[in-house]
Formats: sequence, C-alpha cells, structure tokens
Amino acid sequence: GNSVTQMEGPVTLSEEAFLTINCTYTATGYPSLFWYVQYPGEGLQLLLKATKADDKGSNKGFEATYRKETTSFHLEKGSVQVSDSAVYFCALSGLYSSASKIIFGSGTRLSIRP
Amino acid sequence: DAGITQSPRHKVTETGTPVTLRCHQTENHRYMYWYRQDPGHGLRLIHYSYGVKDTDKGEVSDGYSVSRSKTEDFLLTLESATSSQTSVYFCAISGPKGPNSYEQYFGPGTRLTVT
Repeated sequence: GNSVTQMEGPVTLSEEAFLTINCTYTATGYPSLFWYVQYPGEGLQLLLKATKADDKGSNKGFEATYRKETTSFHLEKGSVQVSDSAVYFCALSGLYSSASKIIFGSGTRLSIRP
Repeated sequence: DAGITQSPRHKVTETGTPVTLRCHQTENHRYMYWYRQDPGHGLRLIHYSYGVKDTDKGEVSDGYSVSRSKTEDFLLTLESATSSQTSVYFCAISGPKGPNSYEQYFGPGTRLTVT
C-alpha cells in the first residue's frame, strides 16, 4: 500500500549545524509530496511541497527535492536555529480522485541546542 | 493563516459519555477532515467530508461518527468515549476549489482525555 517512512527522532543538533531528515515513500502513480511542521502546542503548518519529479520545494531556508528514482523527499537546511525546534512530518497526496487524502509519516522531533 | 477554529480546545470526560468536537472554517473550502495524533503514529485520518452531508470513513473510524450540515462546520462525535480515544484531534480543510491543490490547512487541535 501507499506509505511514508521518515527517520525516527529525536534529532538533536547544535545551532548552525546542517540538518537532514530522511523521508522515503511508497506509492503508485505520481503523488505530490509535502513537509509539514508542528511547533509545540500548535497544529501542523505546510512547510514546503513538490508536485512532480525533480521539483525542489523551499521555504524558510528548508529545501527538499522530489526524487522519483529513489522515491525520496529528504528535508535539508544549511544552518538550523533554535526556533526550528519542532516536529516535522513528511507526507504524500494526490493518489485519489476525491478528497485529496494525505498520508503522513510518523514525524521526527527536532531539538536545536543554543 | 487559514481560518479554522476548533472547540473545545481541551476536554476531560469519563468513559462511556458522549463527546462532540466542533471544527469551524471561514474559508468556504469544500473538503474537511478529522485526524487524531498519537505518539509513534503521526496523524491518522478518522473521517472526512467532501461536501455538505457527504462524508466517508478514514483509516481509524471505529467509534467515531461525523456530520456536516453546513459548509463551515464539521462535527466529530464519540458516541461512548473510551480511554483509547484519549488523543489530540486535529481538523483540516482543503481547497480552495477542490482536491487539485492537495494541500491541507490545520486547526489548532483539541486535547481530549478520557478517564
């Protein structure tokens, strides 16, 4: 079936470190891919997206490239800040003709030390 | 930010009691969703709606029912709450003109504790 697998956390980094959170997917067809972020006590917010192979989504210094050959959508940031501490969810959608259901990974908690 | 509110934001209830959670949107989006979030499971879809009076089940629908009598409101009901339904519940909407954008916008969540 369709699924998303992302690296388990928690991930702890020092400020200004390089970040990678791995995400791979299994899907038939051509899904859209997303990264959502959840800050403490809040709902999920869309961070970035890519809708076709080789697209790069970017926002707030984060980037992810849709790699169809490796079925991956890894999240990267060159220099993290304490304010990036949150839970990050990889997700896919676009597999269904109705109601655009999204399938989420289990989330990766990121903590940044000052 | 998309105009989505959830009420109540926190609720403690006893096993066996009925509970209704409300999601209200001001975006006039067609699609609405209810998820639950539990440690180690990410978000799991409970029910969704693709229009007024049109709803369907998600992957964890047992023990839950929904209703949508107006575009702006989507209600989630636990007919007889159990401790396994202790969770954080999120409402989401999708639009603006149907499923083509595939993006969902989330409400702030409702923390439900069943004792």
